[in-house]
Amino acid sequence: DGGITQSPKYLFRKEGQNVTLSCEQNLNHDAMYWYRQDPGQGLRLIYYSQIVNDFQKGDIAEGYSVSREKKESFPLTVTSAQKNPTAFYLCASTGTSSTGELFFGEGSRLTVL
Amino acid sequence: KNEVEQSPQNLTAQEGEFITINCSYSVGISALHWLQQHPGGGIVSLFMLSSGKKKHGRLIATINIQEKHSSLHITASHPRDSAVYICAVHQGAQKLVFGQGTRLTINP
Repeated sequence: DGGITQSPKYLFRKEGQNVTLSCEQNLNHDAMYWYRQDPGQGLRLIYYSQIVNDFQKGDIAEGYSVSREKKESFPLTVTSAQKNPTAFYLCASTGTSSTGELFFGEGSRLTVL
Repeated sequence: KNEVEQSPQNLTAQEGEFITINCSYSVGISALHWLQQHPGGGIVSLFMLSSGKKKHGRLIATINIQEKHSSLHITASHPRDSAVYICAVHQGAQKLVFGQGTRLTINP
């Protein structure tokens, strides 16, 4: 079945460490997104990519980095520069149309100890 | 003021009741999504609308482009419908703006 796979589901990190969250899709979608969700708040865009080897910053990109070396994969690195990284992270994708149906992964919950 | 506003923020109802969740937006859009987020956190797309009305089972979504308003209705609500419902609008090339969500609780 086609879909988006995020891993890990839960992750604990010590302060000062970088961590990478994986997002893989087998939907043949061009556009992929990373969102952050904090309690009681809407989803906020971190980075998005519309095509391989290209990505743009979203509204809260500081302290994060991404890569898009393959169409299927859009990993997110939470760097030590991110001051408040504890949050729920969601990866999403859409097809080639700018109004394509949205697909989400199950999310990754990052906790900084 | 947020570009996408949902109401109510929280809604509790009894099983069987008719539910309406509203979404108003202040920007030009190419499409609107209704999403469902369960307690585990995963999000599922329910509808994508650019005009008119769509129905899937007990769920109905409508949009009025002129009034910049959309509604999600649930008929014969059931406890398994308990979730957070999120409205999101496509604004330009791939940009999505999300509402803050409506937490729905259906009691047996």
